[in-house]
Amino acid sequence: DIQMTQSPSSLSASVGDRVTITCRASQGIRNDLGWYQQKPGKAPKRLIYGASSLQSGVPSRFNGSGSGTEFTLTISSLQPEDFATYYCLQHNSYPLTFGQGTKLEIK
Amino acid sequence: EVQLVGSGGGLVQPGGSLGLSCAASGFTLSDHYMDWVRQAPGKGLEWVGRTRNKAKSYTTEYAASVKGRFTISRDDSKNSLHLQMNSLKTEDTAVYYCARATIFGETYGMDVWGQGTTVTVSS
Repeated sequence: DIQMTQSPSSLSASVGDRVTITCRASQGIRNDLGWYQQKPGKAPKRLIYGASSLQSGVPSRFNGSGSGTEFTLTISSLQPEDFATYYCLQHNSYPLTFGQGTKLEIK
Repeated sequence: EVQLVGSGGGLVQPGGSLGLSCAASGFTLSDHYMDWVRQAPGKGLEWVGRTRNKAKSYTTEYAASVKGRFTISRDDSKNSLHLQMNSLKTEDTAVYYCARATIFGETYGMDVWGQGTTVTVSS
């Protein structure tokens, strides 16, 4: 199975800050990776697909990069609505696996 | 509008069975791979399984934790996806999400999610 190691597990930041979340795959997954945002009591919402493509309707302050084994999600200027939990998902091979999640909290 | 609406959750005793459904609208179900994902209380997301589309003969994949106990099926004529869960364990307690998967490159990632339905396994 491919392990997705996501860091940090939690992050405290302020509105306007730039933050970066990382996912490392235990083996190469090309760019078969998505990033998801989940708010309490809600379903996940995809932000990024193909490691770096912005999902339609998602603000451009969200940026994904990486390929192979290392991937990052950067939020360039945090907005109040961005405080949530973020997950990466690899869909290169079965079983599909998620990172452990990063909880982004207001400082 | 593309929409997925899950239903069928509830309370079941360990060793029991429960079936979940997911009603799809706004897209042609037969064209798409579909997934089930779950989230135990206070925990992260866990992929449960997948059914491929009509072109791939509706073949399925499962997580090791549910293989042999859970079965994914679909009825494209009714725009519905199903998850039959047997021999339930307390550790199957979770919110269960159905999700549509779309192709990027050569593989499929989830793009649209249902709202989730809660399954509680307890005596």
